[in-house]
Amino acid sequence: AQKVTQAQTEISVVEKEDVTLDCVYETRDTTYYLFWYKQPPSGELVFLIRRNSFDEQNEISGRYSWNFQKSTSSFNFTITASQVVDSAVYFCALSEALAGRRIQGAQKLVFGQGTRLTINP
Amino acid sequence: KAGVTQTPRYLIKTRGQQVTLSCSPISGHRSVSWYQQTPGQGLQFLFEYFSETQRNKGNFPGRFSGRQFSNSRSEMNVSTLELGDSALYLCASSWAGGYQETQYFGPGTRLLVL
Repeated sequence: AQKVTQAQTEISVVEKEDVTLDCVYETRDTTYYLFWYKQPPSGELVFLIRRNSFDEQNEISGRYSWNFQKSTSSFNFTITASQVVDSAVYFCALSEALAGRRIQGAQKLVFGQGTRLTINP
Repeated sequence: KAGVTQTPRYLIKTRGQQVTLSCSPISGHRSVSWYQQTPGQGLQFLFEYFSETQRNKGNFPGRFSGRQFSNSRSEMNVSTLELGDSALYLCASSWAGGYQETQYFGPGTRLLVL
């Protein structure tokens, strides 16, 4: 069965520090997508990145970077030079192709428990 | 392009009542999914609709139901509310609900059951 684990419940750092949020997933499927979302206090989930299971290239977007390692089933997220505005809850999520094949096109996201990140000034 | 909108944003109900939440997807998106977020259970998938048909359902009791209209707008209904139904209900939309697609979320409806 699919499962996403974010072992870090809460992280607190001082502004400008680098911080890495861990995400480990379990799936029996060979084709899947991984996502990261940010949830600010307003509640809306904001999409950050999508990565498919065949693309293990790391990705960098400004101060954000993602490290996908299939060998360890991990998809970690690093914020470089953190800022107070980065404070939020971050969720990692998994979407399997297998589920989509059983029920054509019916996507279902499985989320981790989230990591609450607090950046202190 | 306008994002996903949800109404109402906040709702207070009492046990035993029923509630209807509404979601308007991003223009052109035909798949709408609903998720429940609670402190204890986290984010859990409720159901997904495409072309007015429910294609997938999570592990929730029959008190939770939904529907989708021809314009892709969706509603979810919870009957006979229980205290444990207090949660943030999030709606998400995508083009066709494929496993590879990105789901875009609305601001959610915060439901408090007293």
